[in-house]
Amino acid sequence: EIVLTQSPATLSVSPGERATLSCRASQSINRNLAWYQQKPGQAPRLLIYDASTRATGLPARFSGSGSGTEFTLTISSLQSEDFSVYYCQQYNNWPPWTFGQGSKVEIK
Amino acid sequence: VQLVQSGAEVKKPGASVKVSCKASGYTFTSYGFSWVRQAPGEGLEWMGWISAYNGTTIYAQKFQGRVTMTRDTSTDTAYMELRSLRSDDTAMYYCARDRSGWSSTWGQGTLVTVSS
Repeated sequence: EIVLTQSPATLSVSPGERATLSCRASQSINRNLAWYQQKPGQAPRLLIYDASTRATGLPARFSGSGSGTEFTLTISSLQSEDFSVYYCQQYNNWPPWTFGQGSKVEIK
Repeated sequence: VQLVQSGAEVKKPGASVKVSCKASGYTFTSYGFSWVRQAPGEGLEWMGWISAYNGTTIYAQKFQGRVTMTRDTSTDTAYMELRSLRSDDTAMYYCARDRSGWSSTWGQGTLVTVSS
């Protein structure tokens, strides 16, 4: 089973600043990685798939990069609605698809 | 595109639960469904996948023997049944439309509470 490790667990950022989240895979997953955002009481929302492709309608301030075992989600200028929990998910090897433990972006 | 799940359930330990997920706004058989659960305050856990086209299923080993995923193409509905419920099965259960591993659309979630 592929283990995804996200860091940091919590990131404190001021509105307008840049946020960078990391996701590391226990073995190569090529570019088969997605990122999701989840707000309290809501279902997850797809942000990025195939490591760097933005979901339909996603603002350009969100970007994904990486391949192999190291991946990054960057939010270039945080807006109030971006403070949330973010999960990465691999779909290279199954079963199972696996998720990272999540990273929380909070207001500094 | 919308996925609408059935309502919250309260079950006793040892019982079974069956959650439904009705799809609309797209061709049902063009996508599969992943089922993902989230215990209170915890992260996301993938349970398995079903092809809406031919009903092929792949389950996480953790749930093998306890979960059954099915679909009904006449009503565009996917189902997830979990048996022999335990208190640690208390969670929000989500269905999600899945074509290539990533889930583009999610249901609103169904809270399953297991309590004596």
